Amino acid sequence: EDKVVQSPLSLVVHEGDTVTLNCSYEVTNFRSLLWYKQEKKAPTFLFMLTSSGIEKKSGRLSSILDKKELFSILNITATQTGDSAVYLCAPTRDSGNTPLVFGKGTRLSVIA
Amino acid sequence: DSGVTQTPKHLITATGQRVTLRCSPRSGDLSVYWYQQSLDQGLQFLIQYYNGEERAKGNILERFSAQQFPDLHSELNLSSLELGDSALYFCASSFTGTSFYNEQFFGPGTRLTVL
Repeated sequence: EDKVVQSPLSLVVHEGDTVTLNCSYEVTNFRSLLWYKQEKKAPTFLFMLTSSGIEKKSGRLSSILDKKELFSILNITATQTGDSAVYLCAPTRDSGNTPLVFGKGTRLSVIA
Repeated sequence: DSGVTQTPKHLITATGQRVTLRCSPRSGDLSVYWYQQSLDQGLQFLIQYYNGEERAKGNILERFSAQQFPDLHSELNLSSLELGDSALYFCASSFTGTSFYNEQFFGPGTRLTVL
């Protein structure tokens, strides 16, 4: 059975802080790892990671995958109140045309 | 805007009733997924359709059913509703059939309240 564990479950930081969110996974026939941000609505896609050690960046967000150790991290630098959200990760397997198994997410609260 | 549309945005109904949720996938996407999100359960996969055919089933109750039509839109039918069915229901779409990797894009969701 696919398994996804995210840590920490919640985090409160001040604006300007840097945070690291963790995602470990166990899935057969791994294909990629997806990160999503969920505010009070639908999850929005952030990153797809397919290769170990290659960092993906988008503004202040970056993410990296370790396929040997089966984990990924999401970094957010210079956090802003708008970064407050639940961050979800989910591995895909096989062709990628498969349902996602999500972790419980990390609830990030950024205080001004 | 993900390109996935869902209607209605909100639905309030009574126990025992039946409702239909509708989803239109992104243009070109062949797969539609339904997920349920309740406060204590997180995002749970219900069912997937691919090009009109059921492809995968998750924790979907027998009272729930879905279908995908020739134009690729999908409907999720929930019947004999119970209080515990109150949740956010998301539809996601992916997979054009040509991409090697397929991220899923989520619609805005339907918030169902059963009273």
